[in-house]
Amino acid sequence: NAGVTQTPKFQVLKTGQSMTLQCAQDMNHEYMSWYRQDPGMGLRLIHYSVGAGITDQGEVPNGYNVSRSTTEDFPLRLLSAAPSQTSVYFCASSSGRVGAPQHFGDGTRLSIL
Amino acid sequence: EDQVTQSPEALRLQEGESSSLNCSYTVSGLRGLFWYRQDPGKGPEFLFTLYSAGEEKEKERLKATLTKKESFLHITAPKPEDSATYLCAVYTGGFKTIFGAGTRLFVKA
Repeated sequence: NAGVTQTPKFQVLKTGQSMTLQCAQDMNHEYMSWYRQDPGMGLRLIHYSVGAGITDQGEVPNGYNVSRSTTEDFPLRLLSAAPSQTSVYFCASSSGRVGAPQHFGDGTRLSIL
Repeated sequence: EDQVTQSPEALRLQEGESSSLNCSYTVSGLRGLFWYRQDPGKGPEFLFTLYSAGEEKEKERLKATLTKKESFLHITAPKPEDSATYLCAVYTGGFKTIFGAGTRLFVKA
């Protein structure tokens, strides 16, 4: 039971570099989302998807891009990394049923120098 | 503005010392309230969903309750393995879930 798999687990970037955080789920869930977690703050939604080909912005979308070409994969792209994007990033999926809980990956710890 | 506040920020207990964690919320419409457990270096793991005031859910030493303004996570006779961060999240409909900042629980043997 893999659930939600995120890669890489750790990454250090220089300001201005771009990269893609990978997320894959094997539960055939329609809903997938990306959050960032910063000290002293709750998880904040970056982008989400309600199915293949459909994405939308969350609370803090600036500086990030997403696409969803398959049900399983939902990559997050940092276009030009900034120190303010240093955070722990979590991908989550859910069945979409009203009130269904989200299943989270183990996160990517990203540092921008 | 919708808001979820958890207290205390951190809680230190002796093994066997029961206590409660609080999650208070101010939202336009509660569709569900979730409790998650998060271990260091891991993602949140689902514990409970509560849908309406008066509802209660139990799992081992944990019991979650819900009123119209807050939820409590009661921990009875905790063990060191219960040490974790506990997150509360409120679902208000559509694709909007608001997370609290969490309570870090430390249980000493």
